[in-house]
Amino acid sequence: QVQLQESGPGLVKPSETLSLRCTVSGGSMGSASYYWAWVRQPPGKGLEWIGSIYFNGKTFYNPSLKSRVIITGDMSRNQFSLRVRSVIVADTAVYFCARHVVGDYAADWLDPWGQGTPVTVSS
Amino acid sequence: EIVMTQSPATLSVSPGERATLSCRASQSIGIKLAWYLQKPGQAPRLLIYDAFTRAAGVPARFSGSGSGTDFTLTISSLQSEDFAVYYCQEYNDWPPTTFGPGTRLDIK
Repeated sequence: QVQLQESGPGLVKPSETLSLRCTVSGGSMGSASYYWAWVRQPPGKGLEWIGSIYFNGKTFYNPSLKSRVIITGDMSRNQFSLRVRSVIVADTAVYFCARHVVGDYAADWLDPWGQGTPVTVSS
Repeated sequence: EIVMTQSPATLSVSPGERATLSCRASQSIGIKLAWYLQKPGQAPRLLIYDAFTRAAGVPARFSGSGSGTDFTLTISSLQSEDFAVYYCQEYNDWPPTTFGPGTRLDIK
């Protein structure tokens, strides 16, 4: 079964760039049936979709974060990455990667999810 | 952007009893709705997609209903492992996709 695992620094300074990687195992990222997504959850709060990448490299982003976010993929290594530039304290969150299932014509539900990695923005 | 609301914010129910959780969309989303369960320190787990289809391995005590703007997740007989936070997610007009604020299900 497909499993996802996030990795990256747990502490980032304000104004710097947050960089995380997600490694997919047990399945190929090259399937047209899935996007690959990043979702975050600030401490004690709800879930926010950040963006998703398709096997052909096409990306979609949350408009609220689009100006600061880049998602890239290395399908040969079954990995995809998230970069958030110019981070602020409000970017402190647990960051999850997840498989974003393609439904009728777009990405629908998310399953499965990685365990999540906490990132703190602090000087 | 579609705004999702969930009610109640917290629900206290005794083990073995039925729990009913609500999710409402700010505009019609058809059946493009998923439900997730999240336990402390864990990732969300998919329970229901397309409003009423149970995900693989999800017990039959979980059921989803509704369409348009109003949706319900029902847990027929609560087990100890069901006490957690539940989120709904709409995906009718992706991108973006949005989540509700969650309902915390506590042991009474």
